Order: sequence, then structure tokens, then C-alpha cells
Amino acid sequence: GAVVSQHPSRVICKSGTSVKIECRSLDFQATTMFWYRQFPKQSLMLMATSNEGSKATYEQGVEKDKFLINHASLTLSTLTVTSAHPEDSSFYICSASDSGGSYEQYFGPGTRLTVT
Amino acid sequence: GEDVEQSLFLSVREGDSSVINCTYTDSSSTYLYWYKQEPGAGLQLLTYIFSNMDMKQDQRLTVLLNKKDKHLSLRIADTQTGDSAIYFCAPNPGNNRKLIWGLGTSLAVNP
Repeated sequence: GAVVSQHPSRVICKSGTSVKIECRSLDFQATTMFWYRQFPKQSLMLMATSNEGSKATYEQGVEKDKFLINHASLTLSTLTVTSAHPEDSSFYICSASDSGGSYEQYFGPGTRLTVT
Repeated sequence: GEDVEQSLFLSVREGDSSVINCTYTDSSSTYLYWYKQEPGAGLQLLTYIFSNMDMKQDQRLTVLLNKKDKHLSLRIADTQTGDSAIYFCAPNPGNNRKLIWGLGTSLAVNP
């Protein structure tokens, strides 16, 4: 149980284009989803927290107009990187948490974004 | 703000025990998690401990918590090559579901 999928696993796009990454909880209802960014040999950097049906809460320094997050249902959240630049190239990971009291997060396999 | 510190690297021989240590600053952490990340992959929840416990054992994994010293450890018995990965301890400092992340410990298991 507690499986989270991400799509695509890898994407290459040109500068200036937008890319959408999907995060799905396959066998549970994710009341909260998180989006992280991870640089090589670095820890996870939390970008934003989203609760189903409400606007995402962005961490300090993360541009909400550049990283659009939608959490329209209890099983799906999307991250859209708008007007991508090479510095947006990174490993993006989502996680999902249900309404249980132990707060554990279940992670997707990650999406490797390369902007050329 | 909250902080998590771990040794960056640990190298052990196959069959030995591995002990990965973690210190954290926030004393209000209710749950403390251990995650494993293999190269190019997402994170896998290994185990967690509730803050009112001192120890939790789950098959080859033993978690020890010293709440007074804000020290958490993960012991992996009979370490195998498949255990090679980065291990993150991640305390939950409050009830907002966010986890605090350190840089992780890269475990190398040598045959």
C-alpha cells in the first residue's frame, strides 16, 4: 500500500517552454502533497505544500508564478514549471500524506527535468 | 530554525552492522522518520519512531532515540550490498506535516 507515482520520470525541454509533472497517490487519499527539489548530492528542498482543494503554500524563495501547483483531487497533484530555464534542471520529487496521525510521507520516484 | 545533522559517509563490510547517527534541534518532534534513497530514485520510508519511545525494532532495523540529547540512530544488522543508499533522518517538528531534512548519510557496503 501507499504507492505514489510520478509522470514523466524524465523530461527534456527547451528553454522558454513549460513542463507539467504529475503526482498520483494510487491506493490512498492524499489530503496533503509536497513538492521537493533535489540537487546532486544535496538534501531535499521543500518547494511547496498543497492541500486538496486549496492553494499551495510556497516556501520562502520559491516563485509561485513559476512553479504552478494544482491539487485538484485527493489523488492527483501537478507541478508546472513555466518558462523553464537551464537552472530549473533538477530532480523533482513529490510526496503524499494521508489524514492519519503519524505524518509519514510517501514519495514518488522522482522526475528528472533537463532544460536545454 | 530547525536543523538535522548526519555524517555524510559511512562504509561497512557486508555482513557487519551499520549504525547511522542523526542529531536534530527541535525538541517538539513527535515522529522521527528514516528514509532510504537509492541512486536516481525517490525516497522509501524505512521506519519511524514516536517521540515517547526509546527503541523500535523492525526486522534488521533498530531505531534508538535519546530525546534528551536529541539523538536518533538507525542500526542495520547484517548489512547487505542492497543496503547501499543514502539514508535520511527526518523529524516532524510539529503538526503541520512538514519534515525537516538533513543532507543524508551515504552508506557504502563493501563485499
